[in-house]
Amino acid sequence: DIQMTQSPSSLPASLGDRVTITCRASQDIGNYLRWFQQKPGKSPRLMIYGATNLAAGVPSRFSGSRSGSDYSLTISSLESEDMADYYCLQSKESPLTFGSGTKLEIK
Amino acid sequence: QVTLKESGPGILQPSQTLSLTCTFSGFSLSTYGMGVGWIRQPSGKGLEWLANIWWDDDKYYNPSLKNRLTISKDTSNNQAFLKITNVDTADTATYYCARILITTVPHYFDYWGQGVMVTVSS
Repeated sequence: DIQMTQSPSSLPASLGDRVTITCRASQDIGNYLRWFQQKPGKSPRLMIYGATNLAAGVPSRFSGSRSGSDYSLTISSLESEDMADYYCLQSKESPLTFGSGTKLEIK
Repeated sequence: QVTLKESGPGILQPSQTLSLTCTFSGFSLSTYGMGVGWIRQPSGKGLEWLANIWWDDDKYYNPSLKNRLTISKDTSNNQAFLKITNVDTADTATYYCARILITTVPHYFDYWGQGVMVTVSS
């Protein structure tokens, strides 16, 4: 199985900060990487697909990037509505595997 | 407009079989490239993929649940189903269904249901 190692598990940050969350894949997954945002009591929401593509309706302060086996989600200027849990997902091969999640919270 | 909604028993006892239904609209599981997946999330924990079913009835399962999972569909009624046999307390979670769409590449889980909470307790 492909392991997705996500870091950090918790990220205290201030409004206006630039923040980055990372997932490292244990095997080559190409660009088969998605990022989801989940707010308390809500279903996950697709934010990024194909490692770097913004999903429909997602604010442009969100971006995705790749460097080798490391995949990153960056928020350029944190807003209060961005406080949530974030998960990566590899869809290169079955079984699909999620990262362990990052809780983004106000410092 | 794509919508999905999960339904289930709410509570069941250990060793019973969990039956979940995903009722959706805005797409058809008889259309080329469409699929539905099931994902679960224990309270306060992360997401775990369980199974996918495709328009052509191809099925994929998470091997960590061994042979306990069965996914199926009813295209006439726009529903997908998941059964988990021999449940125990570790199966207590919120269960989600989500759409999958293949265009040039697979688009996994672009739409999600609201989730259904399932508690396994004696």
